[in-house]
Amino acid sequence: DAKTTQPPSMDCAEGRAANLPCNHSTISGNEYVYWYRQIHSQGPQYIIHGLKNNETNEMASLIITEDRKSSTLILPHATLRDTAVYYCIVSPGVGSSNTGKLIFGQGTTLQVKP
Amino acid sequence: GAVVSQHPSRVICKSGTSVKIECRSLDFQATTMFWYRQFPKQSLMLMATSNEGSKATYEQGVEKDKFLINHASLTLSTLTVTSAHPEDSSFYICSARTAGTDTQYFGPGTRLTVL
Repeated sequence: DAKTTQPPSMDCAEGRAANLPCNHSTISGNEYVYWYRQIHSQGPQYIIHGLKNNETNEMASLIITEDRKSSTLILPHATLRDTAVYYCIVSPGVGSSNTGKLIFGQGTTLQVKP
Repeated sequence: GAVVSQHPSRVICKSGTSVKIECRSLDFQATTMFWYRQFPKQSLMLMATSNEGSKATYEQGVEKDKFLINHASLTLSTLTVTSAHPEDSSFYICSARTAGTDTQYFGPGTRLTVL
């Protein structure tokens, strides 16, 4: 079973910031938080990941709470092309004996509206 | 960088036939590849993990004799659905990871329809 909880759906106005929450209250010390998104009928696209520090790249920002029990993915200026299912996944880093497999939950369907 | 391709993008076959799906990492060496399937309106479900040169590790409930996985090189893994039936119709997606990195990169998926 997925170890994260996300709202099933969210709307966002085009041009505004989209803030997607994720709860992972049972996260272990060696587990990263990954975010992927899947646009309809395509393979998932990697967005960002982090361990405990906030992270930012050209696509998004990831804010992880100090206790690491929840996080928020921020798309700073959402466009219509950001409409997708967003998956928050926790998984151990490859530095451990883990293979790095990802277990997908149901994700959040983000609808960006004009 | 980090491009993963799949071939074919869609395939239609008759019940009882076998279908092979290829997954290639185009610009990196994929030490580990993963195979998922996704039914309509559902999330991705991990089927198996394969390391180059080793036998695949299948998730619980996935029949290894029905879904044959080969990962003979660092850039190619294949999934063969043997004796396909209509219930095997699904969207099959592969992903790949290289040694020392945490990030998986996904292929575009293969839509399998079994008549």
